[in-house]
Amino acid sequence: SQTIHQWPATLVQPVGSPLSLECTVEGTSNPNLYWYRQAAGRGLQLLFYSVGIGQISSEVPQNLSASRPQDRQFILSSKKLLLSDSGFYLCGMDRPSSEQFFGPGTRLTVL
Amino acid sequence: AQSVTQLGSHVSVSEGALVLLRCNYSSSVPPYLFWYVQYPNQGLQLLLKYTTGATLVKGINGFEAEFKKSETSFHLTKPSAHMSDAAEYFCAVRPLIKAAGNKLTFGGGTRVLVKP
Repeated sequence: SQTIHQWPATLVQPVGSPLSLECTVEGTSNPNLYWYRQAAGRGLQLLFYSVGIGQISSEVPQNLSASRPQDRQFILSSKKLLLSDSGFYLCGMDRPSSEQFFGPGTRLTVL
Repeated sequence: AQSVTQLGSHVSVSEGALVLLRCNYSSSVPPYLFWYVQYPNQGLQLLLKYTTGATLVKGINGFEAEFKKSETSFHLTKPSAHMSDAAEYFCAVRPLIKAAGNKLTFGGGTRVLVKP
């Protein structure tokens, strides 16, 4: 069965520090992968998606970047965090049955 | 471009009462339609989906939704609320034609509070 792992589960970082969030998937190959952010009191914002290794599409200009170094690994990064980067980050994956499947999320607090 | 509107960011219901969450979408052609539930500090879980066929769709935990093309709606209902239904609910759509990325468009979410 398909599984999405996200690491870490929670993270507290100072403003200006770097960030690396990891998403790995199991049970499938060549999936479409997505990064979303939920800021407090707001809905889901699509940040990046990837249809394959090295292929990244950015949805909104921001302080973040994404990479896909391996087929089942999707990484969200920042060189210098801002307060506004705080939120709940979700990794998603397309299923052949048409819906998206989501990982457990990472709670990021920037102080 | 597609858009999704969920009427009411917060809904309060009594335990045992009807749960009704509204979702309207804007799309030139009927899309695939989804409802997801999110419990605190967890990822999104699929409740139900409409792709083709019967317009009344039954999902997990006693929820169902009806696709009404003429009203461009996909409202979610549950006849009798349970305390465990307290969560945030998201309506989402995606195009029938699989463009690169197959992106979902989400509504703003509705937080459900269940009162004993």
